[in-house]
Amino acid sequence: GNSVTQMEGPVTLSEEAFLTINCTYTATGYPSLFWYVQYPGEGLQLLLKATKADDKGSNKGFEATYRKETTSFHLEKGSVQVSDSAVYFCALLSTSYGKLTFGQGTILTVHP
Amino acid sequence: DSGVTQTPKHLITATGQRVTLRCSPRSGDLSVYWYQQSLDQGLQFLIHYYNGEERAKGNILERFSAQQFPDLHSELNLSSLELGDSALYFCASSVVGTSGGHNWAEQFFGPGTRLTVL
Repeated sequence: GNSVTQMEGPVTLSEEAFLTINCTYTATGYPSLFWYVQYPGEGLQLLLKATKADDKGSNKGFEATYRKETTSFHLEKGSVQVSDSAVYFCALLSTSYGKLTFGQGTILTVHP
Repeated sequence: DSGVTQTPKHLITATGQRVTLRCSPRSGDLSVYWYQQSLDQGLQFLIHYYNGEERAKGNILERFSAQQFPDLHSELNLSSLELGDSALYFCASSVVGTSGGHNWAEQFFGPGTRLTVL
C-alpha cells in the first residue's frame, strides 16, 4: 500500500535559518504530492503541491520538487520566520481511490 | 478560510454514548472525506463520499458510520464511544483538475471537531 515517511521532529531553528524537512514515499502508479501545514489550534492548510515527476511546487517561500527517481518530496525554505512555527505534513494522493496518505508530521519551532 | 465548515467545534461526551459530527463542503464540491487525527495514530483516512455514494473506506471502525445527503453535507456518526476515540476529526472536500494531461485533486480541510470522550 501507499506510505509516506517524514523526518523525525521536532525541528527547532533560529529566525532566518534554512529549513529542510525530508519526505519520502512509497506508492504505485503516479500519485500527486502535497505539503500541508497545521498552525496551532487550526485545521490543515494546503501549502504546496506537485502533480507529476520533476514538478516544483512553491508558495510563501517554501519549495518542494517531485523526485520520482528517489521517491522524495523534500520541503525547503531559505529563511524561516517565527510565523512559520507549525506542524508540517507530507501527503500523497492516490487518484484511483481519492484518499490522502499522510506522513507523521514534523513540528517546526522557530525562535527569534 | 477553506470554505469547508464543521460543527460542532468541540464535543465532550461519555463512554458508551453516540455523537454526530457534521460537515458542509465548499460550494460545488461533490466529494467529502473524513479523517481522524490522534496522537498515537496520526492523520488517518476514514471514508470518502462522492455525490451521495460511498467511494472508499479506510481505517473506519464498525462503530462509526457516515453518509452524504442530497444537499451534499455529510455526517459522521460515532457510537459506543470509547476513550480511544478521543481525537480531532476533519472533513475535507475536493476539486478535481487536469494539468498536462495528468488528473489531480486538491482537498480543502475544515477546522475540525475535537471530540473528548470521558
